[in-house]
Amino acid sequence: GAVVSQHPSRVICKSGTSVKIECRSLDFQATTMFWYRQFPKQSLMLMATSNEGSKATYEQGVEKDKFLINHASLTLSTLTVTSAHPEDSSFYICSANGGSGRGAADTQYFGPGTRLTVL
Amino acid sequence: SQQGEEDPQALSIQEGENATMNCSYKTSINNLQWYRQNSGRGLVHLILIRSNEREKHSGRLRVTLDTSKKSSSLLITASRAADTASYFCATDSGNTGKLIFGQGTTLQVKP
Repeated sequence: GAVVSQHPSRVICKSGTSVKIECRSLDFQATTMFWYRQFPKQSLMLMATSNEGSKATYEQGVEKDKFLINHASLTLSTLTVTSAHPEDSSFYICSANGGSGRGAADTQYFGPGTRLTVL
Repeated sequence: SQQGEEDPQALSIQEGENATMNCSYKTSINNLQWYRQNSGRGLVHLILIRSNEREKHSGRLRVTLDTSKKSSSLLITASRAADTASYFCATDSGNTGKLIFGQGTTLQVKP
């Protein structure tokens, strides 16, 4: 099946710094990727839809200036958590639709996640 | 926002028993998907059922969908200790790939 990778897998940073998380579709092109956040023992919450070549679409309540999304190519989307604070500590997961190339068109392929800890 | 509820929130069974998890949702959907997540790990796609389908099987998994009741169930037969994980349903309402997840069921299978 299609593969999605995330980097880094885990990051620890000091409060006030910015952290960039990469999401790559390894063997297929993804015009659309999605970013989710998951707090401990909770479900995934959709943060935003990342569109290649255009601005991301953010869900209600998600600060677009804090969570910067760039989808510069058909295989890469990045999420930058700006001026991170302890309350931003969470598990961030991306997904990509397998609509182009390998993978079923309506199946989402999820990355392994990035554990962010802000001290 | 969460699409719906899953029940039970937690389920503990013995190896060999069947496990049933239910998911309810609120809006009309194009498809509903079930995912598995081991603790602290990413999601694994289990099965997708479309709105015009009522039942689907994959190995030891059986998924049903009742669009009139806006509910779905996941049955795992002959459970194994390795099935211990959290299970989430997720709905796609616009065929956009944008998924709204349920609260999840934590399954523990005791050896």
